[in-house]
Amino acid sequence: GQQVMQIPQYQHVQEGEDFTTYCNSSTTLSNIQWYKQRPGGHPVFLIQLVKSGEVKKQKRLTFQFGEAKKNSSLHITATQTTDVGTYFCAGVRGGADGLTFGKGTHLIIQP
Amino acid sequence: GAGVSQSPRYKVAKRGQDVALRCDPISGHVSLFWYQQALGQGPEFLTYFQNEAQLDKSGLPSDRFFAERPEGSVSTLKIQRTQQEDSAVYLCASSLADRGRSPLHFGNGTRLTVT
Repeated sequence: GQQVMQIPQYQHVQEGEDFTTYCNSSTTLSNIQWYKQRPGGHPVFLIQLVKSGEVKKQKRLTFQFGEAKKNSSLHITATQTTDVGTYFCAGVRGGADGLTFGKGTHLIIQP
Repeated sequence: GAGVSQSPRYKVAKRGQDVALRCDPISGHVSLFWYQQALGQGPEFLTYFQNEAQLDKSGLPSDRFFAERPEGSVSTLKIQRTQQEDSAVYLCASSLADRGRSPLHFGNGTRLTVT
């Protein structure tokens, strides 16, 4: 089963509000990646974090990797309707080969 | 450029039938992954190839599932004696570097429905 937990499972926001999703692993991660999946689509890569405490920004999106490399967050400022979708974190656990995905946070935006 | 291509896009199988799902990765990508995604869930890791070598098959749910990548490019995921619980979207992804340390490029998936 999955060992990367994501909360919340669903998030309803009004357009223009901020949104945050959190990712937690039971074990230390070598790196963490974030993906976005639109309804009916496939996951699309957003970003990769590797270093402890790393913070990266992409326009309205801010990604953080925790100091212990066991947690991460994605924050979206002033959501737009184009942000609708499911956001997944995925990490490489020490000694493993594949990325382990969280169950995702479904972002629903009300105009 | 061409992305990851999967076929068929949809597959309906009667319980007990065998199915074969094909994945054409991006040319030159070393790593190839298979994931299973149930409705509303995250992708669940099935297996990983580095070139033609299957380095990790720990996610395959039973011995009815078999994957191969004989020449280090195209891969096939085979499911024998399909069961209803096998119904899901099967995603293939490739990446340039080994293991999960570079971005994964996903195909559109094969939606398998077992009746």
